Amino acid sequence: QSVLTQPPSVSEAPRQRVTISCSGSSSNIGNNAVNWYQQLPGKAPKLLIYYDDLLPSGVSDRFSGSKSGTSASLAISGLQSEDEADYYCAAWDDRLNGWVFGGGTKLTVL
Amino acid sequence: QVQLVQSGAEVKKPGSSVKVSCKASGGTFSSYTISWVRQAPGQGLEWMGRIIPILGIANYAQKFQGRVTITADKSTSTAYMELSSLRSEDTAVYYCARENRVSSGYLNYYYMDVWGKGTTVTVSS
Repeated sequence: QSVLTQPPSVSEAPRQRVTISCSGSSSNIGNNAVNWYQQLPGKAPKLLIYYDDLLPSGVSDRFSGSKSGTSASLAISGLQSEDEADYYCAAWDDRLNGWVFGGGTKLTVL
Repeated sequence: QVQLVQSGAEVKKPGSSVKVSCKASGGTFSSYTISWVRQAPGQGLEWMGRIIPILGIANYAQKFQGRVTITADKSTSTAYMELSSLRSEDTAVYYCARENRVSSGYLNYYYMDVWGKGTTVTVSS
């Protein structure tokens, strides 16, 4: 059971927009920044969004992040087949004194 | 651009220990925190612990306390993760990751921006 809660899977058609939610608590998302990672099959995770809504250099602006209270969201617009991957949210947890991850969301582009 | 190069795959017997290395190349090492994250087959990401090489201070996830030791050698820009008393449930890919930070006022917010390719550890009798 992950500390952060994500839907196990989402699916949407190409060129459409999809959002992935991440729910936590006051000890993690509510008091710290949220980061998002993309993991392609068989690959290491890749930083997608940091500090709630910032894009690392080289990441497409089709990706965006937001946060409100103890929940965060990742949005992907203009879906492409190459976006099929697992997506994880993460935040520092003050009570556990460590990083916590969501269980991951598998994105399928129909 | 910094890269994290991890050691090769390992096959271990239950009850034994494994030590995985993570060498930083192409950038500074000591001033960044290095975290270790593992992923069991078909499962999600699980944080194990982290170390600040310049201070040599490590902290661990409660789940792994007493079984994991994370160290760093500043002279070779290498971090190590040793897991003992291995059991089949420890079969996983183990990743190291560099933690970068954003400063906002007097607070720092961290994120893992560079990852190693992972080391597969298989525990089997």
